[in-house]
Amino acid sequence: GENVEQHPSTLSVQEGDSAVIKCTYSDSASNYFPWYKQELGKRPQLIIDIRSNVGEKKDQRIAVTLNKTAKHFSLHITETQPEDSAVYFCAASEYSGSARQLTFGSGTQLTVLP
Amino acid sequence: GAGVSQSPSNKVTEKGKDVELRCDPISGHTALYWYRQSLGQGLEFLIYFQGNSAPDKSGLPSDRFSAERTGGSVSTLTIQRTQQEDSAVYLCASSPGTYNTEAFFGQGTRLTVV
Repeated sequence: GENVEQHPSTLSVQEGDSAVIKCTYSDSASNYFPWYKQELGKRPQLIIDIRSNVGEKKDQRIAVTLNKTAKHFSLHITETQPEDSAVYFCAASEYSGSARQLTFGSGTQLTVLP
Repeated sequence: GAGVSQSPSNKVTEKGKDVELRCDPISGHTALYWYRQSLGQGLEFLIYFQGNSAPDKSGLPSDRFSAERTGGSVSTLTIQRTQQEDSAVYLCASSPGTYNTEAFFGQGTRLTVV
C-alpha cells in the first residue's frame, strides 16, 4: 500500500517568514495530493490540493509543488501569520474512476512566532 | 445536514466494555473513511467504504475493531472489549467519490477507556 512520509514534524518560523513542509510517497499510481490544516481541537480541513497532471498550484499565500519523478510534494506558506499556526497533514491517493483511500503523513506542527 | 456528523462527541467507557461510534456522512457522498488520532499524533487509517464495493479494512488494528455502513449512508465503528490503548479521537470523513475526492471530516468522537 501507499506510504507517506512528512517532514519536519515541528516547524517554528517568525511571523512574515516562509514555511515549507515536505512529503514523499511510495506508490507511483497516486495521483491526488491534498493538504489539510488542523487547528487545535478542531477537525482537519482541506486547504489546497494538487493532481498529478500539474506541477504547481497556488492559492494566495499557499502553494503546493509536485515532483512525480521523485515522488515528493511540498507545501509552501509565504508571509506567515499567527493564524497559520496549526498541524498540517499531507496525503496521497490514487483516483481511477472512484475515490480511493487517503493515506496521510504524520503531520507537521507549525508555530508562527509573533 | 450541512456536514459530517459524529456521535457521541465524547465517550468514557470502562476497560472491557464494547462501544459503538456513529458517523453520518454528507448526503450523497459515496466514500466514507474512519481514522484514529491519538493525542498529538497523525491520522491513522482504519477502514474505507466506497459505494457498494467491499470495504478496505486493511487499517483495522485488531479483530476487536469492526465497522459497517448501512444503506450506503450511516456508518458505525464498533470496538469490542475496549483497552486503554484504544483511547483516542476517532474521526470520520466522507467524500463525493467522484473526481473531486476532497474528504470532509466530522468533529470526531473522543474515546477514553478507563
